[in-house]
Amino acid sequence: NAGVTQTPKFRVLKTGQSMTLLCAQDMNHEYMYWYRQDPGMGLRLIHYSVGEGTTAKGEVPDGYNVSRLKKQNFLLGLESAAPSQTSVYFCASSTPRFWPTSGRAINEQFFGPGTRLTVL
Amino acid sequence: GENVEQHPSTLSVQEGDSAVIKCTYSDSASNYFPWYKQELGKRPQLIIDIRSNVGEKKDQRIAVTLNKTAKHFSLHITETQPEDSAVYFCAASPRETSGSRLTFGEGTQLTVNP
Repeated sequence: NAGVTQTPKFRVLKTGQSMTLLCAQDMNHEYMYWYRQDPGMGLRLIHYSVGEGTTAKGEVPDGYNVSRLKKQNFLLGLESAAPSQTSVYFCASSTPRFWPTSGRAINEQFFGPGTRLTVL
Repeated sequence: GENVEQHPSTLSVQEGDSAVIKCTYSDSASNYFPWYKQELGKRPQLIIDIRSNVGEKKDQRIAVTLNKTAKHFSLHITETQPEDSAVYFCAASPRETSGSRLTFGEGTQLTVNP
């Protein structure tokens, strides 16, 4: 059980280049999220998905696109990278189910290890 | 939308002392308030959470309190240890939000000095 994994771990792009970040989870979670983390700004939601084939905009969606063709995967795309997109990107997943006897929190989001992206 | 503010941005304490981090939120519909810990170079991980029908929750050395009227909640760490050094994030989730979205605070860098 790997949990949430992200590919790649590091990437350097030149301005204008495109790339796709892959997030995979093996916990059968319905919900998946993409965040970016910048110093002093916490975690900001880019896009999220409540199920296979559905996506929605978060707090900072401009310049990014996403796709959820399979329940276990959530892809984040940068069509034309800009230096302002230099950041650490985290994927997360969660499930809306509540386990009253296990003590597991509802809405707990499980994060991937992150992808450090630098755009020159 | 929801807005979460977190204070202080940095906090330095001596080992064994207590640490308190405070957050305020704007959306009265929020009903779920988790706290995440992120060690240097690692992913954020949930350490404790509280729902709006509970005023206080404790788990060993950490506790969270919630004041719905004032719309603020706090993380309390007692008997701090060097391994508590990390960035702590508070978050809030509105009741009716699709997808259990969380709005995070800006984070608090906690340093516990031996």
